[in-house]
Amino acid sequence: EPEVTQTPSHQVTQMGQEVILRCVPISNHLYFYWYRQILGQKVEFLVSFYNNEISEKSEIFDDQFSVERPDGSNFTLKIRSTKLEDSAMYFCASIGGFRFLTQYFGPGTRLLVL
Amino acid sequence: DAKTTQPTSMDCAEGRAANLPCNHSTISGNEYVYWYRQIHSQGPQYIIHGLKNNETNEMASLIITEDRKSSTLILPHATLRDTAVYYCIVTHGQNFVFGPGTRLSVLP
Repeated sequence: EPEVTQTPSHQVTQMGQEVILRCVPISNHLYFYWYRQILGQKVEFLVSFYNNEISEKSEIFDDQFSVERPDGSNFTLKIRSTKLEDSAMYFCASIGGFRFLTQYFGPGTRLLVL
Repeated sequence: DAKTTQPTSMDCAEGRAANLPCNHSTISGNEYVYWYRQIHSQGPQYIIHGLKNNETNEMASLIITEDRKSSTLILPHATLRDTAVYYCIVTHGQNFVFGPGTRLSVLP
């Protein structure tokens, strides 16, 4: 069964550095999402993306964050200048096919900002 | 905020049915009820969804009350690998709003 994949699985970075988290959604899916989960807390919506533009974003998704789909397969989340509080699991999800509302989540990237 | 309320935690004996309740009293007519689970810090895993009819698949059954204000996820024969946090989500296609979910512990 097709799966959403994410790379890297773990990322350690210094505060103030830029990071790019990568996701490969399921191939025929059209809607893409990023969520994050700070350790011990709820899964929180960051941004949704459709037709090469942001559909919706949360208040968490400030100017430090950006998303793009550079090559028709990858879907990336960039954090320009990481802060300690950006340490979290980041999950990518996608929607498409006959289960048109069902989001399929990737395994996540664990980001640690030191 | 999440439109659902769930018990914080539940225990279930291995091999028995696990019945996880969810209240969604403000659900709209076009909103679906979705259930996901998260094992440790893995990505949320889709279990089942429904609109108003009861649903069953290879993982679970979903019972939705006639007024749609609550639902129950049933794992018919829980195993130790079903230990996870279970999330009930109502949506009509926008981003998912996760609550804290129910932490199900399946005990040997």
